[in-house]
Amino acid sequence: SQQGEEDPQALSIQEGENATMNCSYKTSINNLQWYRQNSGRGLVHLILIRSNEREKHSGRLRVTLDTSKKSSSLLITASRAADTASYFCATDGPGNTGKLIFGQGTTLQVKP
Amino acid sequence: DAGVIQSPRHEVTEMGQEVTLRCKPISGHNSLFWYRQTMMRGLELLIYFNNNVPIDDSGMPEDRFSAKMPNASFSTLKIQPSEPRDSAVYFCASSLRQVNTGELFFGEGSRLTVL
Repeated sequence: SQQGEEDPQALSIQEGENATMNCSYKTSINNLQWYRQNSGRGLVHLILIRSNEREKHSGRLRVTLDTSKKSSSLLITASRAADTASYFCATDGPGNTGKLIFGQGTTLQVKP
Repeated sequence: DAGVIQSPRHEVTEMGQEVTLRCKPISGHNSLFWYRQTMMRGLELLIYFNNNVPIDDSGMPEDRFSAKMPNASFSTLKIQPSEPRDSAVYFCASSLRQVNTGELFFGEGSRLTVL
């Protein structure tokens, strides 16, 4: 079964608006990662947040992690048409197994 | 660095044929992952290796699937015999695992169509 589940499944916004995607997971984690996938391409790593961190920034990206609620959010500020892609959260699951399990993803469309 | 290299990028075959997908990880990485992506099931972890040793193959769907990593620079995923339900995009990813699982670097995928 999937460890992470993203919400919403699909999101459509206008260029310049902010986009927020949420991820919920089921078990304890060491870290949580976010990836982007452009259509027909492989996944690209965006940001990693460790279980002892609550917030992390990278450029226009802001990630939060709430381990008590087993949830994370990815905020993309001032979105651009080039941000159109699918976004996935991934967790390494309980223990230190080395496995990285992905959620179903959120498809983001940014209209110019 | 050239990144993770997968071949072939596209494969169309007939049911019952053997399919071999290949992956060259990033030099120096010690973990390698095979994922399968479909619309219905999303991204599924099939198997992963650490230092060329298979650590967890619980995601391999059936005995028709097998994966090998004979050395640090090469891995294969084989399906024999192939079936139409195996149609998917297969991704290979590598990472440098230290204490915990870190950033994964993905290849561009191999799109398999089984007729």
